Amino acid sequence: SQTIHQWPATLVQPVGSPLSLECTVEGTSNPNLYWYRQAAGRGLQLLFYSVGIGQISSEVPQNLSASRPQDRQFILSSKKLLLSDSGFYLCAWSETLRNNQPQHFGDGTRLSIL
Amino acid sequence: ILNVEQSPQSLHVQEGDSTNFTCSFPSSNFYALHWYRWETAKSPEALFVMTLNGDEKKKGRISATLNTKEGYSYLYIKGSQPEDSATYLCAFNPGDSGAGSYQLTFGKGTKLSVIP
Repeated sequence: SQTIHQWPATLVQPVGSPLSLECTVEGTSNPNLYWYRQAAGRGLQLLFYSVGIGQISSEVPQNLSASRPQDRQFILSSKKLLLSDSGFYLCAWSETLRNNQPQHFGDGTRLSIL
Repeated sequence: ILNVEQSPQSLHVQEGDSTNFTCSFPSSNFYALHWYRWETAKSPEALFVMTLNGDEKKKGRISATLNTKEGYSYLYIKGSQPEDSATYLCAFNPGDSGAGSYQLTFGKGTKLSVIP
């Protein structure tokens, strides 16, 4: 069966520090991969999605970047964190071969910027 | 920016009561509507993916209907149990060219609390 791992679970970082959140998927090949953020009082917002290695699409202009160095690995990064980057970050995957498949989420990372 | 609205924002029901809530989305350019359940301290879990106008899907005591012409979906829970307490999210996929099944716009959710 497929599993998705996301870490760390919580992170406290100072403003201006770098960020790296990692997500890996097991049990499937060539998944679509996603990064979402939930800021306080808001719905889940899609930040990035990827349909293959090295292919990244960004949904909103922001201080963050994403990379997909391997088929089942998705990384969210920042060179210098801002206070507004605080929030709850979720990684997700979905199948590519069939349309309208549900997305499967990791456990999330709570990021607090001080 | 797509507007996906969920109502009510929160609700409390007694154990055994049936309940329902609404997701509204743009009625033009529809591709799919997803429902997820998000329990505290867990990850969101997919309930349904609905694609056709008039679709009705069921999973145990939970069911959902879809009206793409008027842009809404209802989620029903029959005989609510404490374990149904969660935030229920809907997500809309407009199916713009190139989007496929990728880009979901989520509502803010309906937080359900079932009182024993």
